[in-house]
Amino acid sequence: EVQLVESGGGLVQPGGSLRLSCAASGFTFSSYSMNWVRQAPGKGLEWVSYISSSSSTIYYADSVKGRFTISRDNAKNSLYLQMNSLRAEDTAVYYCASALFRGVIISPFDYWGQGTLVTVSS
Amino acid sequence: DIQMTQSPSSLSASVGDRVTITCRASQGISNYLAWYQQKPGKVPKLLIYAASTLQSGVPSRFSGSGSGTDFTLTISSLQPEDVATYYCQKYNSAPPLTFGGGTKVEIK
Repeated sequence: EVQLVESGGGLVQPGGSLRLSCAASGFTFSSYSMNWVRQAPGKGLEWVSYISSSSSTIYYADSVKGRFTISRDNAKNSLYLQMNSLRAEDTAVYYCASALFRGVIISPFDYWGQGTLVTVSS
Repeated sequence: DIQMTQSPSSLSASVGDRVTITCRASQGISNYLAWYQQKPGKVPKLLIYAASTLQSGVPSRFSGSGSGTDFTLTISSLQPEDVATYYCQKYNSAPPLTFGGGTKVEIK
């Protein structure tokens, strides 16, 4: 059974930092690209960042570029999102999501974690 | 960047009704279009990819069509368990992998 489990969310002050983790199991993690998607309270889905299976290709949404860093450790079956210079508008549930197709550069998102809530407030 | 516009933003229909949701891309995206369903308090679920291919396990009352800039998600006979918000997403290129604004479907 495929499982994606996020952790690392919490309350942080504006300007602060947080590191999210996503632990994957039940599939060959190293073969699939991964994404972070967020959802502000009561709002829609917003794609945040993408990383290819080998980490050779990385993309960010303009809203987080220069502040967030995506990475992965295929040996640990783990995905990360380092979030710096956090703003109130970054408050959201953050989901990790795996690609539907292995090896394909861009793919829809098949499996999603349960999400971790990040609240940026003083 | 390509914008994805969904309409309507919400709808209310009766059980058994045929429901259609539209997603329009600001530029052509061929058939690189996915639909997701998010039930209240739940995680998004992939319904359809490549504009019209049903993901495994998705009921056949769901269907998708379109290519280029105009796409539709159709529920042929609305069921109570279909109450959810539906999102389209383009994946022809990145960044960004843009989602539409969502369509909330309720039972009348």
